This record gives sequence, C-alpha cells and structure tokens, in this order.
Amino acid sequence: QQQVKQSPQSLIVQKGGISIINCAYENTAFDYFPWYQQFPGKGPALLIAIRPDVSEKKEGRFTISFNKSAKQFSLHIMDSQPGDSATYFCAASHTLKTSYDKVIFGPGTSLSVIP
Amino acid sequence: DTAVSQTPKYLVTQMGNDKSIKCEQNLGHDTMYWYKQDSKKFLKIMFSYNNKELIINETVPNRFSPKSPDKAHLNLHINSLELGDSAVYFCASSPGEGRDEQYFGPGTRLTVT
Repeated sequence: QQQVKQSPQSLIVQKGGISIINCAYENTAFDYFPWYQQFPGKGPALLIAIRPDVSEKKEGRFTISFNKSAKQFSLHIMDSQPGDSATYFCAASHTLKTSYDKVIFGPGTSLSVIP
Repeated sequence: DTAVSQTPKYLVTQMGNDKSIKCEQNLGHDTMYWYKQDSKKFLKIMFSYNNKELIINETVPNRFSPKSPDKAHLNLHINSLELGDSAVYFCASSPGEGRDEQYFGPGTRLTVT
C-alpha cells in the first residue's frame, strides 16, 4: 500500500513530441505528489508538484494531471526537447502517525528525446 | 554557494571496511535525509533527521549509522561494508518534512569490491 507505481520504465520521444509518464498509488492518505527530474551524475531536483485539491497544474511545458478517484497522476511534457532527457520520478507523501511526513518515490522513467 | 554538499563524490573500498560519507546543507533547513539509489535507479529513503532528532529509520541494516552533530550536518557511517552496499547515496534537506521540496546533494557513488 506504500508503493507508487510508475510507467513506462523508459520512453523515447522525438523532439517536439509529447512525453507522458503515468503513476498510480494505493494509499488514500497520500496528499502531496511531486515530480523530480534527475540528470546523469546529479541528484534529483523538484520539477513540479500537485496537491489532490486540484486536477491539473501547469508550469511552462510541464503539466501534472491528477485523478483522485482513480488514484492516478501523470506528467505531460509538451514540445519535448533533447535537454529534457533525464530520469523522472513521481512521488507521494503523507503524514505518518508520528506526524512526520515520508516521501515514497516511484521507480523512475528514463526519458530520451531524440532530435 | 552549494546548497547541499556531500563528500566524497566517489568512494571505492573493499568488503569489510568501515567508511563515512559527510553531508552539509547551508539552506537553514530543519530536516535532512539519506537516500540510497541502486543500479536500477530506484530511490529509497534510509533515514531522516529533524533538528538533529531521528524521525525516520527505515529497514536498514544496523551497519548503517547516521549521525547529526548539528542541524546543518548529517553524516552516514557504514560498518563492515558488503558488496550489496554498492550504490549511489544521496543526502537531501527540506525546510520542514515530506510535503516540502527536498533539495538533493550531488550523490556519493560507493563501490565495494
């Protein structure tokens, strides 16, 4: 129940295309859903995040779509660029009984954008 | 002006040795973390400290011992290293807890031979 599932494992998209990464969760206590971007040899960095009170959040070319009833959320990258080539992690967070939050990461999607 | 720094960046050692990884953040954050990223890039939390107090301690062998001398530092000491400990270890910090953005360090690639 603590898992966050993510698909696909890897994705190849042509420059200018749309990249779509999907995530699903079971624990309805999750209430914060960030996406992290990791370039080779670097640490992950927050890309965009959403809370379940909204169904969509857009920042530039990046959009999170959230479906609370289906317990699914997805990242859309519009007009994908070679510089977007990286590993993307979805994540979910909830408050533990001890009142501390814990972030669960999905297994990651390796995105390659080819010119 | 590095936000979260880790040393060393690479660590190659033999089985059975003891090693430490150091982490420092200059962001004034209250919470710090250690994550392990395996060869398949899976990112798993190991420990979390809030104001020098251990708040998350995942199922990690007790050969791993975190130490937080102050709010800005969280070190990881590993005893009796095993082949399976080979991974990239990331330190991270956040202003509060899980629902805040986490700032990751550059990682330490540990190779146990």
